[in-house]
Amino acid sequence: SQKIEQNSEALNIQEGKTATLTCNYTNYSPAYLQWYRQDPGRGPVFLLLIRENEKEKRKERLKVTFDTTLKQSLFHITASQPADSATYLCALADSSASKIIFGSGTRLSIRP
Amino acid sequence: EAGVVQSPRYKIIEKKQPVAFWCNPISGHNTLYWYRQNLGQGPELLIRYENEEAVDDSQLPKDRFSAERLKGVDSTLKIQPAELGDSAVYLCASSARHSYNEQFFGPGTRLTVL
Repeated sequence: SQKIEQNSEALNIQEGKTATLTCNYTNYSPAYLQWYRQDPGRGPVFLLLIRENEKEKRKERLKVTFDTTLKQSLFHITASQPADSATYLCALADSSASKIIFGSGTRLSIRP
Repeated sequence: EAGVVQSPRYKIIEKKQPVAFWCNPISGHNTLYWYRQNLGQGPELLIRYENEEAVDDSQLPKDRFSAERLKGVDSTLKIQPAELGDSAVYLCASSARHSYNEQFFGPGTRLTVL
């Protein structure tokens, strides 16, 4: 069955360092992958989308890579700040968008 | 621009009671989604609408769940009767055209079934 795995353990890093979150998937061939941020008590907020034919996407301090051979996406936050503390979700969809699957998320904590 | 509006924000009911959630998507968004999110998990798609048509309801437990999107704008998700396992956050999202566009989520309704 289709499966998405994100770092199950919370990630704690020092302010200013680069945070790297992982999204692995099996039994799926997504056309695109999205990353969302979710704060407690709120709905997810879209951050970035990367398509299967793109290797890397950047937006300000955020960078996403997509390796369809490894079936993996990496999400990087450079120069991390305490305000970046949240849960980060990856979501996959096929080209027809008939299957939309979210990972369980990784909780990121940035300590001052 | 107003975001996705959901109500109520919280709902506590006893098992076997009915419950309904309401969603008003962003104006002009044709696609509307209902998700269920359990604690510590990612959102799970229940149903997706393109305008007023339900194009993907394969994950909706149809014995007790129902949804409608009249006139292709607001949507209502209903559970009848509710079970203890239905306790979760119910999220509504909308997107401009197709789901490869970013989805805009509402704040969710936290349902507790006692």
